Amino acid sequence: DTGVSQNPRHKITKRGQNVTFRCDPISEHNRLYWYRQTLGQGPEFLTYFQNEAQLEKSRLLSDRFSAERPKGSFSTLEIQRTEQGDSAMYLCASSLAFNPSNIMNTEAFFGQGTRLTVV
Amino acid sequence: DQQVKQNSPSLSVQEGRISILNCDYTNSMFDYFLWYKKYPAEGPTFLISISSIKDKNEDGRFTVFLNKSAKHLSLHIVPSQPGDSAVYFCAGETSGSRLTFGEGTQLTVNP
Repeated sequence: DTGVSQNPRHKITKRGQNVTFRCDPISEHNRLYWYRQTLGQGPEFLTYFQNEAQLEKSRLLSDRFSAERPKGSFSTLEIQRTEQGDSAMYLCASSLAFNPSNIMNTEAFFGQGTRLTVV
Repeated sequence: DQQVKQNSPSLSVQEGRISILNCDYTNSMFDYFLWYKKYPAEGPTFLISISSIKDKNEDGRFTVFLNKSAKHLSLHIVPSQPGDSAVYFCAGETSGSRLTFGEGTQLTVNP
């Protein structure tokens, strides 16, 4: 399977616990994105990486959220001290940007997501 | 600030007829517009895109129209098939980076 892979698919956690999600992008893709989707809404941008550099973070990404992509391949998204409002589908996507000025960027391919439920 | 808006939460059409999904946007900086399709329990799947310098792009049964003066785009599916039943998201892209999505439209194609 050469698509975007996310683990775990589902996570139930108690409020106040920390959780970590993993995303493995398409291997030749240098860009990796995290989005969050709640019921009845479209995906909302959280952050993105070009290789190992985190280039942009949304205001939605509070201090409790941290994302890493240490070797420019897989990425992790950690949520500390989870709250019930964090319950959502967390989507990862990857794309190939041909150069830093983003000319001829390919479309983003999404993984199946990790559904987080905070109880 | 809802930069991309899909005003119809749902649309129902008969198999073989045309489906028209609409999207409005406010951000003039979008370079590209994309349509994604999403089935339950799956991530969004790319369908078709259009550059902001074009007004039409066609791919098989799918055509996207862009009206920049009205800040409006639409996706036409013809003929519609039951397998097209899914949630369709419109998205704007700036400088090849983040996507800004609309709320989605649930399309149901009835046999």
